[in-house]
This record gives sequence, structure tokens and C-alpha cells, in this order.
Amino acid sequence: EPEVTQTPSHQVTQMGQEVILRCVPISNHLYFYWYRQILGQKVEFLVSFYNNEISEKSEIFDDQFSVERPDGSNFTLKIRSTKLEDSAMYFCASRLWTGQGYTFGSGTRLTVV
Amino acid sequence: EDKVVQSPLSLVVHEGDTVTLNCSYEVTNFRSLLWYKQEKKAPTFLFMLTSSGIEKKSGRLSSILDKKELSSILNITATQTGDSAIYLCAVSGPKDGNEKLTFGTGTRLTIIP
Repeated sequence: EPEVTQTPSHQVTQMGQEVILRCVPISNHLYFYWYRQILGQKVEFLVSFYNNEISEKSEIFDDQFSVERPDGSNFTLKIRSTKLEDSAMYFCASRLWTGQGYTFGSGTRLTVV
Repeated sequence: EDKVVQSPLSLVVHEGDTVTLNCSYEVTNFRSLLWYKQEKKAPTFLFMLTSSGIEKKSGRLSSILDKKELSSILNITATQTGDSAIYLCAVSGPKDGNEKLTFGTGTRLTIIP
């Protein structure tokens, strides 16, 4: 069954450093998303991406965050200057069309120290 | 603000028991309700419900949506230890957008052998 692949599975970074989280969505999918889950809390929407542009973003997704789909297969989330409160599991998701269930990746656990 | 509430937060039952998990929501421009199973990392898709009163089944799992009551239930019959997981309910909306998901906190289900 097709999968959404995320790398790395775990990243530890120092506060203030930039991190890039990578995702390879399912190849024919058109809609892409990033969600995050702080330990013990709900899964929260960050951003949706369609047709090479951001469709919607949450309040969490401030100027420190950016997304890119540089080469038609990868979908990246960049955090420019990480803060302690950015520590969370970050999930990438994709789907073929609206009205279909999302497929989630296995996540990247980001730890900011 | 969109809201999804799941109950109970936690449930411990013996193998073979039947369980019912609840989800209620307050969402503007409701599109669909989704159930996911989260074991270690990635939420895995179980059901997507858009129409009221139509039960969806997959093996021992079934789910139904009640749009009048703004709620859904997930039933698991003849539970097995492999059913131990966090079950997440999410609603998507708006209809004509990228349909971001709003998640509940989840129900942690533990099956005792």
C-alpha cells in the first residue's frame, strides 16, 4: 500500500537553529498538509498546500515556518529559528482529492534543547 | 472555534469485550468525520463518514454518524490486544476548501488479555 514517508524520524536541535523536516507524499496525491502533536496534546493543523501554494495556515504557522515542494516529490517544513515550544511530533499528510481520507506519515519527533 | 470532544478519555477492558467510543463536534461548514487509530506514531485511517445514519463496517469495527446530534460512535466488538491504541476522531471542513482536520484528544483504549 502506498505510504507517506517522513525523514528523519527523530531530530534533536539547539534552540535558535533552523530545521527542515522532509516528507515524500504519495505520488499522485494533490493535497498536502503538516500537522503537529505536542506530547500529551491534540493533533493540530499547521498548514495545507495545493497547486504549489499555501491554501490555509493556522495561527501556529507564523513567520518562522515555511513550506516548499521543491521538486514535485518532496514536501518540506522549515522552522527558521526553533524554540523550546516547537518540540513536538510533526506529521505530514496527503490525499488525492477533497472528500477522501488523509494518509499520514509516521512523523518526525523534533526535540529542541 | 471548531471543537471535537471524545469520551471516554481512557478505557480498559478485557479481551473479547465490546467497546463504544464517542465523539461529538461543533464545526462550522462540516464536511466529514474521520476516525483514526494511533498506535506508536502515524494515525492510520479507519473510517470517513459524511452521511447521517449510514453505518460503515470493517471487520470488527463499525462507525455511524448522527448529524442531528453532531456526534459519532466507533464500536469494536470481540476486542483483541491488538486493538490497544489511541482512537482519534477528527472532523473536516469547510466543504469548498482544503478541509483541514480538527482533532479530538483521543480515547486511549487498553485491552487486557
